[in-house]
Amino acid sequence: EVRLLQSGGGLVQPGGSLTLSCAASGFIFNNYAMTWVRQAPGKGLEWVSTINGPASDTFYADSVRGRFTISRDNSKNIVYLQMNSRSAGDTAVYYCVKGMSAGSWLAGDVWGQGTTVTVS
Amino acid sequence: QSALTQPRSVSGSPGQSVTISCTGTSSDVGGHNYVSWYQQHPGKAPKLMIYDVINRPSGVPDRFSGSKSGSTASLTISGLQAEDEADYYCCSYAGARYVFGTGTEVTVL
Repeated sequence: EVRLLQSGGGLVQPGGSLTLSCAASGFIFNNYAMTWVRQAPGKGLEWVSTINGPASDTFYADSVRGRFTISRDNSKNIVYLQMNSRSAGDTAVYYCVKGMSAGSWLAGDVWGQGTTVTVS
Repeated sequence: QSALTQPRSVSGSPGQSVTISCTGTSSDVGGHNYVSWYQQHPGKAPKLMIYDVINRPSGVPDRFSGSKSGSTASLTISGLQAEDEADYYCCSYAGARYVFGTGTEVTVL
């Protein structure tokens, strides 16, 4: 069974650093790009960041570029999202999402359970 | 990075068809055939319903279909059922980034 198990998150103060983790199982991890998507309370989905399968390319939304860093450890089947300089606008449920190819994410066919980050 | 435009809500009776539009620009929807659609029930993670404009993942009922014309993509739900009541989001590749739609609430009357 393909699964994404997220960890990290919680109530955090503005500023500082927080890292979200997403452990994958049930598929060949380095064959697929991975993405983080967030959803602020009562709001819609927002694409945050994508990393390709080999971890050679990363992409960021303007709203987080320079503050967030996406990375992956293909030996451990884990993707990370390091969040620096957090602000109240980063309060959201964060989802880890599996893509449909190694080079580009294209669409998310498997979603993690979501983890809540509250900046206050 | 403006969100793609979707109607705020659509509704229909059981058995009817509803169509949700997703309007973007030539930089996203109009420029790439990588539009996907997601269904989200309250408190749940989104679920992929359509990818690459028209393709259905295995397990998604064929009542769900996708299409695109110019810079507007559409999701049609035929034979509306009670369990289809949910929020729906489109998403498009936009060249080194992705953009989601504003979301549409589907109500089954």
